[in-house]
Amino acid sequence: AQKITQTQPGMFVQEKEAVTLDCTYDTSDPSYGLFWYKQPSSGEMIFLIYQGSYDQQNATEGRYSLNFQKARKSANLVISASQLGDSAMYFCAPGGGLTGGGNKLTFGTGTQLKVEL
Amino acid sequence: NAGVTQTPKFQVLKTGQSMTLQCAQDMNHNSMYWYRQDPGMGLRLIYYSASEGTTDKGEVPNGYNVSRLNKREFSLRLESAAPSQTSVYFCASSEGGGWDEQFFGPGTRLTVL
Repeated sequence: AQKITQTQPGMFVQEKEAVTLDCTYDTSDPSYGLFWYKQPSSGEMIFLIYQGSYDQQNATEGRYSLNFQKARKSANLVISASQLGDSAMYFCAPGGGLTGGGNKLTFGTGTQLKVEL
Repeated sequence: NAGVTQTPKFQVLKTGQSMTLQCAQDMNHNSMYWYRQDPGMGLRLIYYSASEGTTDKGEVPNGYNVSRLNKREFSLRLESAAPSQTSVYFCASSEGGGWDEQFFGPGTRLTVL
């Protein structure tokens, strides 16, 4: 089974500062995707950003970017200019393709981020 | 578009009772998934349906069955509920390509006494 490690159970950041959430994974798949999801206290799962394992450039999506280091099997999420609304649980989820379509995500245990004034 | 909808939002069962969790998506997605999330944990895949007419086991399938009723609907059945199945259940869907994002429903909070 794939192992995902998010070593920071809790993080604090000041509003308007940048923060990096760590994620390492262990996969033997030659081709895979890396997803990050946000789960606010209300409970829904919100997609943030995706990186393909063969993508040459790190993915960016607004204030979110991925620091992807394939050789180290690391895909850290960087949030710039933190806002109070960024306070949530963040999950890293590598995904492998499924025969017939779709992809199989394996979720880490998450990092709880708290943005402070 | 409603996206992914789940019913019910909350449910309390007694040990041994059965129930079906309903999920529907209106995005014309090919692939659908059922996950469970236990307190302090990430989501774990129970079953998935890569395309209409197919279903397959995920990481934690024991105690569950699924039905892909049509392209829109994917239900999860607990035949004989156990306290260990107390969890939040999420349904998700994706277009069906290799690296498509999954869109999640709001979740069903299930308690088994």
